[in-house]
Amino acid sequence: KQEVTQIPAALSVPEGENLVLNCSFTDSAIYNLQWFRQDPGKGLTSLLLIQSSQREQTSGRLNASLDKSSGRSTLYIAASQPGDSATYLCAVGGGADGLTFGKGTHLIIQP
Amino acid sequence: NAGVTQTPKFQVLKTGQSMTLQCAQDMNHEYMSWYRQDPGMGLRLIHYSVGAGITDQGEVPNGYNVSRSTTEDFPLRLLSAAPSQTSVYFCASSYAASSDTQYFGPGTRLTVL
Repeated sequence: KQEVTQIPAALSVPEGENLVLNCSFTDSAIYNLQWFRQDPGKGLTSLLLIQSSQREQTSGRLNASLDKSSGRSTLYIAASQPGDSATYLCAVGGGADGLTFGKGTHLIIQP
Repeated sequence: NAGVTQTPKFQVLKTGQSMTLQCAQDMNHEYMSWYRQDPGMGLRLIHYSVGAGITDQGEVPNGYNVSRSTTEDFPLRLLSAAPSQTSVYFCASSYAASSDTQYFGPGTRLTVL
């Protein structure tokens, strides 16, 4: 059974810092890996989707990498802002039977 | 586009009551799914559908029923609510399978007393 782990569980950094969130998964037979953002009391917003054949994806200040062989992904956030404060979720896709989620990293950016 | 909509936003039930959580999408997506989110557990898949008339079970299907009579709608039915079903429920959709970008609804917060 696929298991997804996110480290750290919580992170607090001053505004302007670059930071890295980590995600690891146990079964490398995945179709893709997705990073989501969840604000308190809200739904999930997709940030980046990396297909299994890709190594990384970029969107603005966000960059996500994927190393299938080692079962790892990182989400890099450049020049963090208070508006980046949220919970970040990593999820791996195994096909038609849905996504397997990690428990998330709760991020606080201090003004 | 409204995206993925869910109703109600909040619901309180008594043990044994039944109810239906509504989910609709206007993006003509074939794939729809239901997840529950519990503290310390992450999101877990309840049921999913790859198209109208086709549904299948996810990781935690017990106590829930689904049907998919149209492409747009994917309701989740709680047959006899139990306190263990207290959770936040999210509906999601994508163009095809879970390998596509998933769009999530705002969630339904359910409390079973």
